[in-house]
Amino acid sequence: DTEVTQTPKHLVMGMTNKKSLKCEQHMGHRAMYWYKQKAKKPPELMFVYSYEKLSINESVPSRFSPECPNSSLLNLHLHALQPEDSALYLCASSQSPGGETQYFGPGTRLLVL
Amino acid sequence: QQQVKQSPQSLIVQKGGISIINCAYENTAFDYFPWYQQFPGKGPALLIAIRPDVSEKKEGRFTISFNKSAKQFSLHIMDSQPGDSATYFCAASINSGYALNFGKGTSLLVTP
Repeated sequence: DTEVTQTPKHLVMGMTNKKSLKCEQHMGHRAMYWYKQKAKKPPELMFVYSYEKLSINESVPSRFSPECPNSSLLNLHLHALQPEDSALYLCASSQSPGGETQYFGPGTRLLVL
Repeated sequence: QQQVKQSPQSLIVQKGGISIINCAYENTAFDYFPWYQQFPGKGPALLIAIRPDVSEKKEGRFTISFNKSAKQFSLHIMDSQPGDSATYFCAASINSGYALNFGKGTSLLVTP
């Protein structure tokens, strides 16, 4: 099973709202990633969790707050987003950090009004 | 700075034809080169990957050709089908690092 699941599939939020994206994998992977993808662009890395610890933050604004409650779960908390944050948010996981196959989830399509 | 350069940006191929997408890189430390396929509204899915100790890898209709001296690699899709119509991303990474450095993507349309 190489499945990464993400919820919700779609999310519409106002600029003052607080919402969370959820990602789950049951492959025993020890690295999990958040990416942001704009239309017709490649995914851009936001955060990397390695063995449940945040190891990379690609200078992402503080209105995005990641959390890794356990080795299978990854959350992305959203607060006071801007319309330009509208994008497809992708979660991925890999068996170990670096140089390994990353398995992507289907993404959450976020629209900020 | 784009570490992996991908071409063409878009490609139209007739059913049964060969689709060829090319990528080039500069960082000789890269040692893992995957290709991802993405359908609209879906996440990228790993298609095929290669390491620099191999010059070619084939899986079904998909083949990666790798030229280490030229720092180039390419994806060939043989007998292209309309169901292959998608966006294809090449990528490169370093075994000791985390980041997948993606190319800008190629939008492939296979016409019936």
